[in-house]
Amino acid sequence: NAGVMQNPRHLVRRRGQEARLRCSPMKGHSHVYWYRQLPEEGLKFMVYLQKENIIDESGMPKERFSAEFPKEGPSILRIQQVVRGDSAAYFCASSRQAGGYTFGSGTRLTVV
Amino acid sequence: EDKVVQSPLSLVVHEGDTVTLNCSYEVTNFRSLLWYKQEKKAPTFLFMLTSSGIEKKSGRLSSILDKKELFSILNITATQTGDSAVYLCAVDMNTGNQFYFGTGTSLTVIP
Repeated sequence: NAGVMQNPRHLVRRRGQEARLRCSPMKGHSHVYWYRQLPEEGLKFMVYLQKENIIDESGMPKERFSAEFPKEGPSILRIQQVVRGDSAAYFCASSRQAGGYTFGSGTRLTVV
Repeated sequence: EDKVVQSPLSLVVHEGDTVTLNCSYEVTNFRSLLWYKQEKKAPTFLFMLTSSGIEKKSGRLSSILDKKELFSILNITATQTGDSAVYLCAVDMNTGNQFYFGTGTSLTVIP
């Protein structure tokens, strides 16, 4: 049973490009959470999704960021028109029900 | 405002030393407190604490929660270089949606 799979592991984008980060939850897990870890800061909650529904997006920046968790396929965190300040490690976690997370290995986004 | 505060921010010790990491919190609707170890990649789960005064142990690591004083400690005895990591404390606020993480304590164990 593979753990939470995130890809790519590293992503480099130029300013203004789009970044797509993928997260495949553990088998049987229907809850997905995205966190962002900025340098020198702790993990910050971004969004909580269940299949086809955004449950809580209170941590998402109002512009340029969006997330989805379709019925089939991985959860996608999408960042449009990236800026240098978006450079961070983005972690996805999944759970069978609320709480009891398993984390992925993260995607390190670098905006140049 | 809900907050989770960890101390110290960083710590350097020698192998064999014992360390105590602190996590204090002020949150509404507390459900549980969790400790994670983060090395170069994803945080890995260490402990979940829900009841006051009950120590949880795993090898050289142990943790306890005080719900009256609103803090938890993580102890590591006989530290090894492999214990070098950032230790994160998180509080589950019973909203089912998110955990609040502290900024972590960076532990470096020198041979």
